[in-house]
Amino acid sequence: QSALTQPASVSGSPGQSITIPCTGTSSDVGAYNYVSWYQQHPGKAPKFMIYDVTNRPSGVSNRFSGSKSGNTASLTISGLQAEDEADYYCSSYTSSSTYIFGTGTKVTVL
Amino acid sequence: EVQLVQSGAEVKKPGEPLKISCKGSEYSFTSYWIGWVRQMPGKGLEWMGFIYPRDSHTRYSPSFQGQVTISADNSINTAYLQWSTLKASDTAMYYCARQAAIGGTFDYWGQGTLVTVSS
Repeated sequence: QSALTQPASVSGSPGQSITIPCTGTSSDVGAYNYVSWYQQHPGKAPKFMIYDVTNRPSGVSNRFSGSKSGNTASLTISGLQAEDEADYYCSSYTSSSTYIFGTGTKVTVL
Repeated sequence: EVQLVQSGAEVKKPGEPLKISCKGSEYSFTSYWIGWVRQMPGKGLEWMGFIYPRDSHTRYSPSFQGQVTISADNSINTAYLQWSTLKASDTAMYYCARQAAIGGTFDYWGQGTLVTVSS
């Protein structure tokens, strides 16, 4: 069971928008609307940002949004801010009734 | 506010056993899955498995099946992750997280337990 594929790094300038793709298969991302996204700052526990592909929990900025097309889910951060610099991970439910994380993406604010 | 509080850092030798804990509070402990996630130094997140405390049903990632045991004690709202024989490659940060019953979102996380295995 391989990890979902994410780019190792994505960067953008303050105020810009960036998108992080998360590619899986027809047995995980493509099969269910159970994709979630997590933000992790260095030395901290992850924090959940998006659930069920598109939903944002209370307290998370509306600058964060999620989407999915086929076997690829995406996290978009609009109006990039310095505090958004962190690692981001996607996660999906799988047809084996297990869960799998993405490889992780380091977001750098230039 | 929902909290998951994990036990403190451990330093162990290869071959030793270990059991780390995760205590939940301010929610119905038996109504949510508790998952365990490994993060090796400088690496990404890996789902290890989870337990449903109400009936102690467990499920493991194929990568961790047989390598660890997940359990829970509902009387003290605590979940556990244990090893019978540690290896150097078990050195990592281990997080517990509450998982939603539908969709499995990891909505609340513990602070992490750092396990170091070294001779």
